[in-house]
Amino acid sequence: DGGITQSPKYLFRKEGQNVTLSCEQNLNHDAMYWYRQDPGQGLRLIYYSQIVNDFQKGDIAEGYSVSREKKESFPLTVTSAQKNPTAFYLCASSGTTPMGYTFGSGTRLTVV
Amino acid sequence: SQKIEQNSEALNIQEGKTATLTCNYTNYSPAYLQWYRQDPGRGPVFLLLIRENEKEKRKERLKVTFDTTLKQSLFHITASQPADSATYLCALGRNNDMRFGAGTRLTVKP
Repeated sequence: DGGITQSPKYLFRKEGQNVTLSCEQNLNHDAMYWYRQDPGQGLRLIYYSQIVNDFQKGDIAEGYSVSREKKESFPLTVTSAQKNPTAFYLCASSGTTPMGYTFGSGTRLTVV
Repeated sequence: SQKIEQNSEALNIQEGKTATLTCNYTNYSPAYLQWYRQDPGRGPVFLLLIRENEKEKRKERLKVTFDTTLKQSLFHITASQPADSATYLCALGRNNDMRFGAGTRLTVKP
């Protein structure tokens, strides 16, 4: 079945450490997105990519980086510059706009 | 700045009743509006999309209305069931820009 796979489901980061969240889709979607979800807030866009080898900053890109070397993959790196990284991270993909997004099951990142 | 408000953080209703969730927005002119369902610890699941030139959309027990004059969408679940208990998110979009509300947590009691 087609879908989006995020891994790991839970991730713990030490202070000053970079961590990478994986996102893979087999839906043949061109666009992919990374959102951050905090309690009581709407999803906030971190980065998005509409085609391979191209991506744009969202509303809260500071402290994050991405790459889009393959259509299927859009990994997110949370760098040590992100001062408050504890959150639930969601990856999504979509075909031709407008259409519903397909979300992964999320990665919960905690700073220890 | 753009703002999306979903009527309340939580809504409790009795099984069999109709649940009505509200999504209001300001400083935005969406071309389309979407509703998603999110269960705890999971990603949102797409339910319905309605375009700016459409007044109403239905899918099984779900109905969405979109009033661009009032800047409001209503999401109805008829004959609600305990399995409908979840958080429901509205999202507004234009081209490749999509904005999400914080969601309303619906609890349907048997």
